[in-house]
Amino acid sequence: DQQVKQNSPSLSVQEGRISILNCDYTNSMFDYFLWYKKYPAEGPTFLISISSIKDKNEDGRFTVFLNKSAKHLSLHIVPSQPGDSAVYFCAALMEYGNKLVFGAGTILRVKS
Amino acid sequence: DAEITQSPRHKITETGRQVTLACHQTWNHNNMFWYRQDLGHGLRLIHYSYGVQDTNKGEVSDGYSVSRSNTEDLPLTLESAASSQTSVYFCASSEWAGGTQYFGPGTRLTVL
Repeated sequence: DQQVKQNSPSLSVQEGRISILNCDYTNSMFDYFLWYKKYPAEGPTFLISISSIKDKNEDGRFTVFLNKSAKHLSLHIVPSQPGDSAVYFCAALMEYGNKLVFGAGTILRVKS
Repeated sequence: DAEITQSPRHKITETGRQVTLACHQTWNHNNMFWYRQDLGHGLRLIHYSYGVQDTNKGEVSDGYSVSRSNTEDLPLTLESAASSQTSVYFCASSEWAGGTQYFGPGTRLTVL
């Protein structure tokens, strides 16, 4: 039973346009969410996070939105660049928790 | 610069053999984790440790073991390798239990 779901295995976007990656979760005890980015043959790297007390967190071209009532978060990348092409993992952490629960990942391809 | 390394980067072994994957971090982090990445499943937690002599089972721990004799290292052992353990393995560490995890480059293991 996957508690964190990324229902889109892949996404293709034109350079300069917006990329929107989605993530749904089922466990209402999750209170901290993270996005990791992974290039081929490398380990995942932390990208951006959001606490459940917020509904938006922005860092440069990357913005994460959280809708607690819908148990949904999304990562927006504006403008998208070819170097953003990677696998993006959504992850969730429970209050006082100490383990991350990852989604299956979404492959983003940004076409130039 | 602090880093986390894994060795070997690639390993081919036969069914039934014992295999040990190494993980070494120079962050001086107490918390270390082992994940496996499989298509459609994202990253799944195998074992984790919160400090020397501490080890805990994760979501998919059957057939794997870890030991923590010092802060820097958390080797992962497959007692009797099975074809179902063919995967990419990632080690990670974090400063505090729920903190950002820093990942190694991964080990691709093939069990024939």
